[in-house]
Amino acid sequence: GAVVSQHPSWVICKSGTSVKIECRSLDFQATTMFWYRQFPKQSLMLMATSNEGSKATYEQGVEKDKFLINHASLTLSTLTVTSAHPEDSSFYICSAGPGQGEEKLFFGSGTQLSVL
Amino acid sequence: SQQGEEDPQALSIQEGENATMNCSYKTSINNLQWYRQNSGRGLVHLILIRSNEREKHSGRLRVTLDTSKKSSSLLITASRAADTASYFCAFTGGGNKLTFGTGTQLKVEL
Repeated sequence: GAVVSQHPSWVICKSGTSVKIECRSLDFQATTMFWYRQFPKQSLMLMATSNEGSKATYEQGVEKDKFLINHASLTLSTLTVTSAHPEDSSFYICSAGPGQGEEKLFFGSGTQLSVL
Repeated sequence: SQQGEEDPQALSIQEGENATMNCSYKTSINNLQWYRQNSGRGLVHLILIRSNEREKHSGRLRVTLDTSKKSSSLLITASRAADTASYFCAFTGGGNKLTFGTGTQLKVEL
C-alpha cells in the first residue's frame, strides 16, 4: 500500500520556540494532505486540509497563524507550530490519499510534541 | 458535534473471543471506514463499506452498515493479543475529508 512518512516521531522543545513537522507521500502524489491533532485516549480532530500550491483550509477554532501549513510540492506538506506553549503538547498526525478513486487515507506514524 | 460516537469506549476480552464495537453518526455519508491505531502510532486502514452496502468481510473482520439507523459495527472474530489497539470509525459526506468516531480501546488478554 501507499506510504506516508512523518518526521520527527517525537520532539521536545522549550516554550516560545517553533517546531516543524514534515509529512511526505513516498510513492504517490498527494494534492491534498490532512493534519490532525490527538490528545491521549481521544479521537483525531482535523486541524486543517493542506492543498498543494494554495492556502490551507483550517477547521473552526484552529489558529492559522499558530499552525502554519505549507504544501509546496505534491509529496510534501509541513506543519509548523509557532511560538509553542505547553498547551500545544499533543500527538500530531498527517494523512494523505492518492485520490483517483481511492477513498482510503494513509497515515503518517505521528509526531509527539512536548513543550516544556 | 458531527463526530461519530463509538461504544464501548473500552473493551477487554480473552484471546479467541469475538470483539464487537459500534459506531453511530449523525450526517449522511458516502462511505464508512474503520481504522486501527496502535498506541502512539499512526492509523492503519482496515476496511471500507459504502453507503449502498450492508455488510462486508475482510479476513477476521466483519463490518455492517445500517444507514437507516446511522450506525455501523465492526466484529473481530477469534481475537488475538496482537489485535490490542484502538479502533476508530471514520466517515465522509463528500470528498475525502474524514470525520472520526470517538474510538474503542480493545485489549485482548492471553
